[in-house]
Amino acid sequence: KAGVTQTPRYLIKTRGQQVTLSCSPISGHRSVSWYQQTPGQGLQFLFEYFSETQRNKGNFPGRFSGRQFSNSRSEMNVSTLELGDSALYLCATRGLAESEQFFGPGTRLTVL
Amino acid sequence: AQSVSQHNHHVILSEAASLELGCNYSYGGTVNLFWYVQYPGQHLQLLLKYFSGDPLVKGIKGFEAEFIKSKFSFNLRKPSVQWSDTAEYFCAVNPTSGTYKYIFGTGTRLKVLA
Repeated sequence: KAGVTQTPRYLIKTRGQQVTLSCSPISGHRSVSWYQQTPGQGLQFLFEYFSETQRNKGNFPGRFSGRQFSNSRSEMNVSTLELGDSALYLCATRGLAESEQFFGPGTRLTVL
Repeated sequence: AQSVSQHNHHVILSEAASLELGCNYSYGGTVNLFWYVQYPGQHLQLLLKYFSGDPLVKGIKGFEAEFIKSKFSFNLRKPSVQWSDTAEYFCAVNPTSGTYKYIFGTGTRLKVLA
């Protein structure tokens, strides 16, 4: 089956702009989680969606938001970008019968 | 607060050397445990997982990990590393009750010298 896809793969923005990232899960997976990966910090959990509802949220400011659609696709939005938001944003999906998460290739966001 | 500690941030080994990467977590309840690997330019993939049963689990590419409940540890091992094992390794914990969160460690960068 097809893996997790994320678009775009690379993005360059300037401070103050906003950005929307997209994640399409593996077919049948209804849980979608988002992570921010930076060198030395590992993966920081942003939020998790299941059946269009946010089930969990990490410790990120309100500038970071997300949503999930009825087809389980998810989007993540970051408003008023800051230099420190430069990172690899990873999406991971999980099926009902599985505890392991499957990761997408990530979106590399650079804020100038 | 729940956390995962990976004590080795950078490890350099020669081919054929043995590997052990430490992982400790802080959570009092039952957990599922994972090791993920990220090869250069590739996305994270599962190396091995522990849910229950035999605390010694075997994964892909000759890796294994041992869950020691009393020490809250889940160390990753490989008896003989290869150059192709150069990658970043992440330990992750998923509490089995009350949350769907996965908590990751900060990662260990392994470089294997040919």
